[in-house]
Amino acid sequence: SAVISQKPSRDICQRGTSLTIQCQVDSQVTMMFWYRQQPGQSLTLIATANQGSEATYESGFVIDKFPISRPNLTFSTLTVSNMSPEDSSIYLCSASGGINYEQYFGPGTRLTVT
Amino acid sequence: ELKVEQNPLFLSMQEGKNYTIYCNYSTTSDRLYWYRQDPGKSLESLFVLLSNGAVKQEGRLMASLDTKARLSTLHITAAVHDLSATYFCAVQVANRDDKIIFGKGTRLHILP
Repeated sequence: SAVISQKPSRDICQRGTSLTIQCQVDSQVTMMFWYRQQPGQSLTLIATANQGSEATYESGFVIDKFPISRPNLTFSTLTVSNMSPEDSSIYLCSASGGINYEQYFGPGTRLTVT
Repeated sequence: ELKVEQNPLFLSMQEGKNYTIYCNYSTTSDRLYWYRQDPGKSLESLFVLLSNGAVKQEGRLMASLDTKARLSTLHITAAVHDLSATYFCAVQVANRDDKIIFGKGTRLHILP
């Protein structure tokens, strides 16, 4: 199984600023994804982080707001740009690609925008 | 576009009872996941179901998949309070590199 860590675990940010969230996987994986989970809600896929190329964004999410990098097979970052209170949420990284088709999730980053 | 529906969304039940959570999805897929989430925690993988007729069991939880009906069930046997959590099903989008779409989740509360 893959173990995923995220940094920071939580942050409180001011409106208009940006925050970069890091995701590290302890083994090489094929796919990495970023999700958002608003309080009491389900998970919404933001984008697929592609290694060495631009991320693939889901409807309603754009690169200018959520730039993503994935420089290698075990690391990715998500930036939440020009934040507003509506961006307050939990952001989760996930990874897949093992022979058992598991998709693992990181512990999440709890973001509060004031 | 793949849509995933779970029901019920909320379930309060007595310890010792049996119940089933249902997960329907709208387009062809042959991979379905069940996750558990405790308040303030991340997701814990419970089951990955890979083929029609697949059945997996762990303790008091049993999951099954019927790809023809586009239906999965998560059955709880003789519920105990420790099973109180939110349960999500998620379905792989066919031919889309492990991308999965989540249902809304079922918030399960088991009364002692």
